[in-house]
Amino acid sequence: AQSVTQLDSHVSVSEGTPVLLRCNYSSSYSPSLFWYVQHPNKGLQLLLKYTSAATLVKGINGFEAEFKKSETSFHLTKPSAHMSDAAEYFCVVSDHPMDTGFQKLVFGTGTRLLVSP
Amino acid sequence: DGGITQSPKYLFRKEGQNVTLSCEQNLNHDAMYWYRQDPGQGLRLIYYSQIVNDFQKGDIAEGYSVSREKKESFPLTVTSAQKNPTAFYLCASSIASPFLANEQFFGPGTRLTVL
Repeated sequence: AQSVTQLDSHVSVSEGTPVLLRCNYSSSYSPSLFWYVQHPNKGLQLLLKYTSAATLVKGINGFEAEFKKSETSFHLTKPSAHMSDAAEYFCVVSDHPMDTGFQKLVFGTGTRLLVSP
Repeated sequence: DGGITQSPKYLFRKEGQNVTLSCEQNLNHDAMYWYRQDPGQGLRLIYYSQIVNDFQKGDIAEGYSVSREKKESFPLTVTSAQKNPTAFYLCASSIASPFLANEQFFGPGTRLTVL
């Protein structure tokens, strides 16, 4: 079964400094991986996704993530944090769509990013 | 604008009541999903539907029911059998394809509180 572990429940950075949110996954198949962002009391928005093309994936708002199969990791980075980046971030692995065509998403428990001025 | 709407934004329920959460999408997606979000637990799948008039239980379906009479709509009923219904509920939709890693589009959520 697929699973995902977000290694930090909270990450604090200063505005203008780099952001690193860590994610490790477990999958029996070649996985599809996603990062979603959630602002308080809002729905989730897709930041980026990996689907076995380029291992370095660029997303919205300057975020990117690198798929490392040998390390089973999919860490999210941004060179310079902005106050508006403060939110909760979810790493998500998708299992293999089997005969039903249903592709279940398995969510990590989230990392809350705090950005100080 | 294309997207997913959920209503109401906030909902209060008394013990023993059934309540229904609305989810509507105009993205022409075949697949729709309901998730429950609790602090520190990520999102857990309640029900999903890949086509009209068909739906399947997710990981935590007990105490919930759904219907899918129209492609655009996937309402969730929280029944009195759900012992701990206070949570944030998120509806999502996606293309239903067995070959693609399809992103799911999320609505803004409904926060349900039991009084």
